[in-house]
Amino acid sequence: QKEVEQDPGPLSVPEGAIVSLNCTYSNSAFQYFMWYRQYSRKGPELLMYTYSSGNKEDGRFTAQVDKSSKYISLFIRDSQPSDSATYLCAMYYGNNRLAFGKGNQVVVIP
Amino acid sequence: GAVVSQHPSRVICKSGTSVKIECRSLDFQATTMFWYRQFPKQSLMLMATSNEGSKATYEQGVEKDKFLINHASLTLSTLTVTSAHPEDSSFYICSARAPGGAGYGYTFGSGTRLTVV
Repeated sequence: QKEVEQDPGPLSVPEGAIVSLNCTYSNSAFQYFMWYRQYSRKGPELLMYTYSSGNKEDGRFTAQVDKSSKYISLFIRDSQPSDSATYLCAMYYGNNRLAFGKGNQVVVIP
Repeated sequence: GAVVSQHPSRVICKSGTSVKIECRSLDFQATTMFWYRQFPKQSLMLMATSNEGSKATYEQGVEKDKFLINHASLTLSTLTVTSAHPEDSSFYICSARAPGGAGYGYTFGSGTRLTVV
């Protein structure tokens, strides 16, 4: 069983704040790191992906990977109420397998 | 972009009956589709990998006679929950890999909320 740790505790922030989410993992076999956004009663949609250590930026979103510490992060700048959703980290480890974290529920308060 | 359509979005059924969930890739062919189950505040758990024209591969602990998977065409996979019981109530999500898609191309359906009463 490949393990991904993500604290599912709900996170409430005021509009405009920076949202910081993270996952840790224990298996070096994880090759590719993704963040999905899941709105209530919907399937996940891909938000960010990266395979190397470092930062990757896309608009208000930044994905950060530290392979040496087995730690990945997602930052959302200038958060909006429409960012309210559950954010899942996911890691690809070959053979069509994805390992998901439990997801972080984020609420952005107007 | 690649779209995976899942139907129905919600279903309520009586204990002991069977329910069929459809998963379609709308604008690409998918030789492989994936079925996940998600409990509240839990991660997506892979139940089985659906292979077009052959038998599905089930994850350890998933009853293949209970969760029947059929992948009869390159755009359609179905999951049938047979003799459903209240403990089968969950959110079921299908996924397919779109060729050339970002992030390994995994595209998810919108999910099916199954409630067994």
